[in-house]
Amino acid sequence: QLVLTQSPSASASLGASVKLTCTLSSGHNTYAIAWHQQQPEKGPRYLMKVNSDGSHIKGDGIPDRFSGSSSGAERYLTISSLQSEDEADYYCQTWGTGVWVFGGGTKLTVL
Amino acid sequence: EVQLVESGGGLVQPGGSLRLSCAASGFTFSRYDMHWVRQATGKGLEWVSTVGAAGDTYYPGSVKGRFTVSRENAKNSLYLQMNSLRAGDTAVYYCAREGYGSARTVGMDVWGQGTTVTVSS
Repeated sequence: QLVLTQSPSASASLGASVKLTCTLSSGHNTYAIAWHQQQPEKGPRYLMKVNSDGSHIKGDGIPDRFSGSSSGAERYLTISSLQSEDEADYYCQTWGTGVWVFGGGTKLTVL
Repeated sequence: EVQLVESGGGLVQPGGSLRLSCAASGFTFSRYDMHWVRQATGKGLEWVSTVGAAGDTYYPGSVKGRFTVSRENAKNSLYLQMNSLRAGDTAVYYCAREGYGSARTVGMDVWGQGTTVTVSS
């Protein structure tokens, strides 16, 4: 079964970097995923696609501070030079044949 | 500007029906797969349905047989007919576009602002 696992919360200081993790279920470590950001009281916003080889394709207007990478079944979102507006929920999402799946989300707090 | 605007949400009694709409603009709607995704208050995102550019449809088990997704390309519109509604269907419903890059899917790359559905007596 295709499942994505995320830590419920993360925190980092203003101006620092943070790396969020999304883990694919067993047998699915070649799957690409997408990252989405949801700021408080707003709809989701697409950030990027991250492939199994670590390459990533960002959405329009996404700052260079956001990047993606991969290792095995893990897909990462790294945010550098953290700003207050980066405080948000971050969801990973993937897809299979006739199925689309979201991770449970990580709530990022900027200290 | 690429945009998705949902409408049709509201308060409905358990067992009732509701039809959501999503108006698309700024892109060639007919060429894209489209999704509905929902989010209950304080919860995460949940995929609800998908209609392909060719009209093929997909649902998770939680809504299969109760919800029907459809599209009207001439009107650049996506719909979600929801029947036999339950309290657990209460959520903000978003429509989203499936994006493509180099002929491969890149995930849900455009989202609407959402419409709220409340199922309660």
